[in-house]
Amino acid sequence: LAKTTQPISMDSYEGQEVNITCSHNNIATNDYITWYQQFPSQGPRFIIQGYKTKVTNEVASLFIPADRKSSTLSLPRVSLSDTAVYYCLVALNQAGTALIFGKGTTLSVSS
Amino acid sequence: EPEVTQTPSHQVTQMGQEVILRCVPISNHLYFYWYRQILGQKVEFLVSFYNNEISEKSEIFDDQFSVERPDGSNFTLKIRSTKLEDSAMYFCASSPLTGTSGTNSYNEQFFGPGTRLTVL
Repeated sequence: LAKTTQPISMDSYEGQEVNITCSHNNIATNDYITWYQQFPSQGPRFIIQGYKTKVTNEVASLFIPADRKSSTLSLPRVSLSDTAVYYCLVALNQAGTALIFGKGTTLSVSS
Repeated sequence: EPEVTQTPSHQVTQMGQEVILRCVPISNHLYFYWYRQILGQKVEFLVSFYNNEISEKSEIFDDQFSVERPDGSNFTLKIRSTKLEDSAMYFCASSPLTGTSGTNSYNEQFFGPGTRLTVL
């Protein structure tokens, strides 16, 4: 299974764009890159998923370079409510059912 | 918007007691999961369930754990004899599909709000 590495924490201010980069050097050809968000005392919530290039939805953008060894989650104009833990996931487990979470990046947004 | 619900929100029990955590997955979903998160630690997979049987389980999911879908809507996790180290948030999740098929990947699982289990 591909291992992911992302910063433990990041700080930002309201209105700024936040970019969280995740490295996954041994990503497999079939692997997709998925990002989840978790607020304190809540379950994780799917944000975005991509395979290559750029994906954008109403919440975030995901940038994936051609070699796919890293990805960047971009949150435009963050607000206080974006304070959460952000997880980068690559692949399900080998059986294809379980999400394998790392420690994630704790984003703190201040006013 | 449909959502996964879990009851109770908080369960306190004595060590050695049995607990049942309940979940109602999203109605048209086919795959069901339990995860747990010990305070301050990462989310850990416990078990996945499809077509009325366990698809996969982790090392954490030992003989003291069991899952059941007793009717068409509920999905339960039973811990037979709780231990102090079972104290955690337990999250139920569901998804319509799972895995990768061709160019499509089904990594979106919908999580419930969790049950906080405290074992004394």
